[in-house]
Amino acid sequence: DAGVTQSPTHLIKTRGQHVTLRCSPISGHKSVSWYQQVLGQGPQFIFQYYEKEERGRGNFPDRFSARQFPNYSSELNVNALLLGDSALYLCASSIMGGAYEQYFGPGTRLTVT
Amino acid sequence: QKEVEQNSGPLSVPEGAIASLNCTYSDRGSQSFFWYRQYSGKSPELIMSIYSNGDKEDGRFTAQLNKASQYVSLLIRDSQPSDSATYLCAVTTGGGYNKLIFGAGTRLAVHP
Repeated sequence: DAGVTQSPTHLIKTRGQHVTLRCSPISGHKSVSWYQQVLGQGPQFIFQYYEKEERGRGNFPDRFSARQFPNYSSELNVNALLLGDSALYLCASSIMGGAYEQYFGPGTRLTVT
Repeated sequence: QKEVEQNSGPLSVPEGAIASLNCTYSDRGSQSFFWYRQYSGKSPELIMSIYSNGDKEDGRFTAQLNKASQYVSLLIRDSQPSDSATYLCAVTTGGGYNKLIFGAGTRLAVHP
């Protein structure tokens, strides 16, 4: 069975630009969460979606937004990129919302110059 | 106080030894606890989950949970060089949705 997939793998953007990252969960999983991981730190929670509804939001500015589609895939959008947005963006899939195990995709490495 | 605290390491153990990784958390409402392994340049991989007090064993891994002390640990028996990685402790918040709070991770180095 395919695991969580994310695209693109790597991305280089310039300050002020916009970026869209995409994620497809494990087949049968209905919840997707997004995390940001900077070097030397653990992942930081950005959003959780379950059944196409936002179920949680972390301490990130409004420049960050996300949505989940009817097929349970998801995209994360970041506007007005800052140098500090450079990080590994991780998508995690779980069978449903709640205290269930989350499985991470390979991540998207975003570099903002 | 950080919500999830781990010793950053590195924790260096010889091959074949037991590696002991520790984690404390601040939210008494936390109900689910996870250990992830992350190799350099890769994404976190779930290796253990534990939900109730006591021990849970899976192969060479044993997770231990003590909710009264707000303490989670991971034991790796017969450590191998391939176990060398950063181990992340993650805890769900008590808020009703599945927000994972991660520690900064402990780097484990297993030397031959």
